[in-house]
Amino acid sequence: EVQLVESGGGLVKPGGSLRLSCAASGFTFSNAWMSWVRQAPGKGLEWVGRIVSETDGGRTDYAAPVKGRFTISRDDSKNTLFLQMNNLKIEDTAVYYCATDSAGIEHWGQGTLITVSS
Amino acid sequence: SYELTQPPSVSVSPGQTARITCSGDALPKKYAYWYQQKSGQAPVLVIYEDTKRPSGIPERFSGSSSGTVATLTISGAQVEDEADFYCYSADSSGNLFVFGTGTKVTVL
Repeated sequence: EVQLVESGGGLVKPGGSLRLSCAASGFTFSNAWMSWVRQAPGKGLEWVGRIVSETDGGRTDYAAPVKGRFTISRDDSKNTLFLQMNNLKIEDTAVYYCATDSAGIEHWGQGTLITVSS
Repeated sequence: SYELTQPPSVSVSPGQTARITCSGDALPKKYAYWYQQKSGQAPVLVIYEDTKRPSGIPERFSGSSSGTVATLTISGAQVEDEADFYCYSADSSGNLFVFGTGTKVTVL
């Protein structure tokens, strides 16, 4: 059974930084393409970015609102996905989901809440 | 930036058919995916690659795509199908992705 468990969420001030982790199990993580998706309170889903497998080049792509501030990385030895978020803005407040993305987004974690507020 | 447009809401009586559209310029060349999200829960994939249904998804969910419009059809909608539905696809480059604006489906 595929399991994705996000952690690292919490309250942070505008301009601050936070790193999210996503522990994966139940599939071959090193072969998987992975994405982060967020959902602001009461709003729709928003794609944040994606990282492909190292064997496919390890490429990362980001949505325009986070490009240059967020970085996706992976540690295949620990089956863990990361999202480093810098220069956080109030509008980054959302539940952040990690997800498998090898053929479209298939499996989702339960999400972790990030609140950016002074 | 690329956008996928959905109707804000669709209402249907139990047992009737609900259709949700998703419009995007790149859809003739890119697959559409559909997600169901019930209140307080993570989304669930219900259709992938325009027309395919994952295991465990009821047969009443089906997908189609023609030109710049992808469509999710719920045939014989049930009360438990009430949820927000989102389409998802890539832009023409294939490296940037977007969710649709979302459609709230009400079954009553």
